[in-house]
Amino acid sequence: SQQGEEDPQALSIQEGENATMNCSYKTSINNLQWYRQNSGRGLVHLILIRSNEREKHSGRLRVTLDTSKKSSSLLITASRAADTASYFCATGLTGANSKLTFGKGITLSVRP
Amino acid sequence: AAGVIQSPRHLIKEKRETATLKCYPIPRHDTVYWYQQGPGQDPQFLISFYEKMQSDKGSIPDRFSAQQFSDYHSELNMSSLELGDSALYFCASSSDLQETQYFGPGTRLLVL
Repeated sequence: SQQGEEDPQALSIQEGENATMNCSYKTSINNLQWYRQNSGRGLVHLILIRSNEREKHSGRLRVTLDTSKKSSSLLITASRAADTASYFCATGLTGANSKLTFGKGITLSVRP
Repeated sequence: AAGVIQSPRHLIKEKRETATLKCYPIPRHDTVYWYQQGPGQDPQFLISFYEKMQSDKGSIPDRFSAQQFSDYHSELNMSSLELGDSALYFCASSSDLQETQYFGPGTRLLVL
């Protein structure tokens, strides 16, 4: 069953602009993780935020989590053409050793 | 740093044949997960193992089986292959000290 739902489904921006992607989920979670996938390749882990955290930063990435609204957002600042990829949010219901439930990906295109 | 290794990277099979996919987790990771990603779809959890025991099971067909060996590598065995089994199969690993799952590059299976 689908846990995370991302919006928008596709996003096209100019290099240098910021990209914001949103994800919603349905049940209580332990953590939420964002992954990037380039054109049918492997999933690269970007950032993890736990249910007791509200915001985390990693380089040009900023992720927020609102457990009351069951939603998360991923902000990529100063986007680059190399950021072009599909982005997925995935939720873990329990802690370590918990399966991830992925939402439908967001396709981000960054125009040079 | 060592990553998750999957083999083979590409596999072409005929309907009703069998296939075996292998996964070598990151050293000292004791949990292995298998996910299936159909074309244009989000990854779906199949099965996971912790310390060589099955820890969770998702939407894995009865035609599929998996196990984790004493050296922590895992194999996904797929029998009576169907056209709909064509997908990207990911293995991920994690340690019981953290929630982050690290994904391998995937095995692209094409069933003709």
